[in-house]
Amino acid sequence: GDSVTQMEGPVTLSEEAFLTINCTYTATGYPSLFWYVQYPGEGLQLLLKATKADDKGSNKGFEATYRKETTSFHLEKGSVQVSDSAVYFCALSLDGNKLVFGAGTILRVKS
Amino acid sequence: ETGVTQSPTHLIKTRGQQVTLRCSSQSGHNTVSWYQQALGQGPQFIFQYYREEENGRGNFPPRFSGLQFPNYSSELNVNALELDDSALYLCASSLESNRPDTQYFGPGTRLTVL
Repeated sequence: GDSVTQMEGPVTLSEEAFLTINCTYTATGYPSLFWYVQYPGEGLQLLLKATKADDKGSNKGFEATYRKETTSFHLEKGSVQVSDSAVYFCALSLDGNKLVFGAGTILRVKS
Repeated sequence: ETGVTQSPTHLIKTRGQQVTLRCSSQSGHNTVSWYQQALGQGPQFIFQYYREEENGRGNFPPRFSGLQFPNYSSELNVNALELDDSALYLCASSLESNRPDTQYFGPGTRLTVL
């Protein structure tokens, strides 16, 4: 079935370091891809999305590019802040009505 | 505009009992989806309701059931609770059934089954 695999965490970085969180997917068609973020004590929030191959989603300094050839959607940020500490989830949607999530990656940023 | 709200925040039940969780959707949203998030895992899709009808279901047994009301709020009912049902239950509302990018998630209900 359709699935999403994320790099295991926790990922611990110093402030202003470069961030990459890997995400690969398996799908029977051409899904839309998403990154969600869950801050402590808050609900899931959509961070960015891409709906077709080679699309780049971006928001709040985060970016991810939809790579069909490698079935990947890696999340990157050039300079992380302490406030970026959260759990990040990669997700896909094929039929438009349900999201399939990865297991999540905990990010901890130290000052 | 109010966001997605869920009640209760926390709940403790014993095995075999039944539970009802509630979700109020964001203003203007006609679609509600429910997800189960076990500890350390990503959310798993339970089902979706669109205009009061079930519109897709994940791999969950029939003892997981739901309702959507005319005001688009929703309930998730779980019968014959099992220990593995302990999880965070998330509700998400969206503008339309085929627009997952418009889903707004609530803070969740933490269910503990003893």
